[in-house]
Amino acid sequence: EIVMTQSPATLSVSPGERATLSCRASQSVSSNLAWYQQKPGQAPRLLIYGASTRATGIPARFSGSGSGTEFTLTISSLQSEDFAVYYCQQYNNWPPLTFGGGTKVDIK
Amino acid sequence: EVQLVESGGGLIQRGGSLRLSCAASGFNVSSNYMSWVRQAPGKGLEWVSVIYSGGSTYYAASVKGRFTMSRDNSKNTLYLQMSSLGAEDTAVYYCARERYGGGTDYWGQGTLVTVSS
Repeated sequence: EIVMTQSPATLSVSPGERATLSCRASQSVSSNLAWYQQKPGQAPRLLIYGASTRATGIPARFSGSGSGTEFTLTISSLQSEDFAVYYCQQYNNWPPLTFGGGTKVDIK
Repeated sequence: EVQLVESGGGLIQRGGSLRLSCAASGFNVSSNYMSWVRQAPGKGLEWVSVIYSGGSTYYAASVKGRFTMSRDNSKNTLYLQMSSLGAEDTAVYYCARERYGGGTDYWGQGTLVTVSS
């Protein structure tokens, strides 16, 4: 099973600032990585697949990069609606699908 | 419009059984890979099971032998039969569609299962 590790666990950012979230895989997942956003009481929402392709309707301020074992989600200028928990997920070698533990982005 | 609506959650005693349902609309479950994903209170996401378009099913090690995923194509509905439930199974259970090419693109609103001791 591929283990996904996200860092940091919590990221405090001011509105308008840039946020950089990291995700590491225990072995190469090529570009088969997705990012999700989850707000309290809501289901996760797909943001990025293929490591860098934005899902339908996702604003351009969200961008993904990386391949192999190291990945980054960048939010270029945080809006109030972006404060949430973010998860990465690998789908290179599944089942099982595996998720990272999440990064909470909160207001500084 | 794609929609997934889960039902069947509730309070169940340890060792009991429960069946969750997920009614889909806007697409055919039989043509897609469909998953159940759960989230314990205050915790992260844990994949539980998948059913492929061909009907094969796979499970997380934590539920294998206790949970069974199935579908009724005529009702366009998924099921998760859960048995021998323990406190560790307490979670919100989401059904979700696996996007062709990767990523989970549609999620239901979730149904809460609480296992009491």
